[in-house]
Formats: sequence, structure tokens, C-alpha cells
Amino acid sequence: DAGVTQSPTHLIKTRGQHVTLRCSPISGHKSVSWYQQVLGQGPQFIFQYYEKEERGRGNFPDRFSARQFPNYSSELNVNALLLGDSALYLCASTEGNEQFFGPGTRLTVL
Amino acid sequence: SQQGEEDPQALSIQEGENATMNCSYKTSINNLQWYRQNSGRGLVHLILIRSNEREKHSGRLRVTLDTSKKSSSLLITASRAADTASYFCATDSIGSQGNLIFGKGTKLSVKP
Repeated sequence: DAGVTQSPTHLIKTRGQHVTLRCSPISGHKSVSWYQQVLGQGPQFIFQYYEKEERGRGNFPDRFSARQFPNYSSELNVNALLLGDSALYLCASTEGNEQFFGPGTRLTVL
Repeated sequence: SQQGEEDPQALSIQEGENATMNCSYKTSINNLQWYRQNSGRGLVHLILIRSNEREKHSGRLRVTLDTSKKSSSLLITASRAADTASYFCATDSIGSQGNLIFGKGTKLSVKP
């Protein structure tokens, strides 16, 4: 079985641009969460989606948005990129109480 | 914001020794999970312990939970060089709808 997949693996953008990150959960999982991990820190929760509905949102500005599609895959969008948005973006799919993480997308903002 | 605080921030041991990492948290929880991360890659789920459990084992891993002290520990026995990684605790707080709050992690280095 494939685990959680994310694309792209790496991405370089400049300040002010926008970016779309993609995630496919484990087959059968209906919930997807997004996390941001800045270098040297633990992941911080951004969004959770279940059955295409937003179930939770962390303390992130409105520049961050997400959606979930009928096949349960998800996109994270970040507008007006700032240098501080440089991070590893992790997606997790949930079964019961356990969250299974993908390999992440490394975003560098120059 | 970070919920947990892992202790120590960094730990260096020899192969074959045991490694103990501690985690403290602030709010009441449904469960606590431990994850491993190699070189800034994705997180690997190690073990989940529920709030009504006190100890759990999985292979060379032993996790304890003390809800009165709001703390947990992860013990890796007979460590191997391949255990070199960062280890994070993550709490599923009551009312959070399953969103995890992570600590800053412990960086473990196991020398062959």
C-alpha cells in the first residue's frame, strides 16, 4: 500500500509569489492535516480537513488556505510568500487517533 | 505554539546503550504520540499511548505516561546507529479534534 504522498518534493519561490502544495492520503483515509515545520522546530498545525470540510485551523494568517477534493486528496495554498514561509510542509492522513505523515515538501522562499 | 518540551534537546550515546527522552506538556490530553524524523524528512509514527494508559511497549521502545505530572518518556533500549534521528512527542489535546501539538524534539546521535 502506498503511504501518504506529497508533491513537489522541493520548491523554490521568491517573495510575493504564491505556491500550491499537494497531498494524497493513504487509501481509505478521509482526513488530511497540514503542518509547517521550520528548521529546528517541531511541526505546527495549519489545517485539518475531513470529508472536504475544514475541521480545524491553526494560528496562521489568511494567506494560507487549503481544500480537500472528493477523492480526499488535498491542496495547501500560500499567497504573498514571505521569507519566513520557508519550511518543510508536512501532510498527514488520519486513521483513528493515529496520523501518518508524508515525506514533506521543502519550500524555500528567496 | 508548542505544547510540549522535550528534554534533553540533544543526546549522544554509544551503540548498545539505552536512550531516554522526556516530554512535558501543558493541557489535558486524549493521547500522546512519539514520532521519529530522519534528516528533515517526513515523520515516522512510533507509538501512541492513551491518557488512561501508563506504559506501552513496542519492540525496543518503551513509553510511559504520567498524566498527573503531564509528562511522558521514551526509552530506546540497545540503541543502534540507525536510531540516529530527531524524536518528537505530540499531544492530542482534549477539544482539539485530533490536531497534534508537537514539542521541539530531541536530537539523538548514536555512535557506532
